[in-house]
Amino acid sequence: KAGVTQTPRYLIKTRGQQVTLSCSPISGHRSVSWYQQTPGQGLQFLFEYFSETQRNKGNFPGRFSGRQFSNSRSEMNVSTLELGDSALYLCASSFGGVDGYTFGSGTRLTVV
Amino acid sequence: QKEVEQNSGPLSVPEGAIASLNCTYSDRGSQSFFWYRQYSGKSPELIMFIYSNGDKEDGRFTAQLNKASQYVSLLIRDSQPSDSATYLCAVARSNYKLTFGKGTLLTVNP
Repeated sequence: KAGVTQTPRYLIKTRGQQVTLSCSPISGHRSVSWYQQTPGQGLQFLFEYFSETQRNKGNFPGRFSGRQFSNSRSEMNVSTLELGDSALYLCASSFGGVDGYTFGSGTRLTVV
Repeated sequence: QKEVEQNSGPLSVPEGAIASLNCTYSDRGSQSFFWYRQYSGKSPELIMFIYSNGDKEDGRFTAQLNKASQYVSLLIRDSQPSDSATYLCAVARSNYKLTFGKGTLLTVNP
């Protein structure tokens, strides 16, 4: 069965721009979570959606937002990009929650 | 105090040996505990999860949990060069969010 698909794989943006990342979960999975991974901070939780509702949000500024569609696909948006937003953004899906997460391959965002 | 702490390593073991990876956590309300493996340039993949105190075995892997000591460990028996990766410990209080440690880099030498 198809895994979690994230697009694009790589992205280069300029400071001040905004970016939208996409995540298509495994078929049947209704929970989608987003994490940011950097060498200094490791994996940090951004937010989690279940059936189009955000159930939890991490400690990131309001520039980071997300949404989930009725088909469980999810997008995250980062506005007014800063150099420190350069990271690997990982999406994970599961049927109900943290148990059984499957991660996508990630989107590598570079802000210049 | 960091929420989930792991020794960053690198931990180097010879092929065939037992690799022992350790993790401590600060939130006593944590309910579930996970070990992920991440190869360089790849995304994390789940190895094992454990909910109750004691040991849980799956093939060459054994997870150990001691909630009183707030300690989780992963033992890898008969380590292989293909086990060389970063091992991430993660804990969850709720069903909505994982808190990860920064990972331990394991190198298995042939």
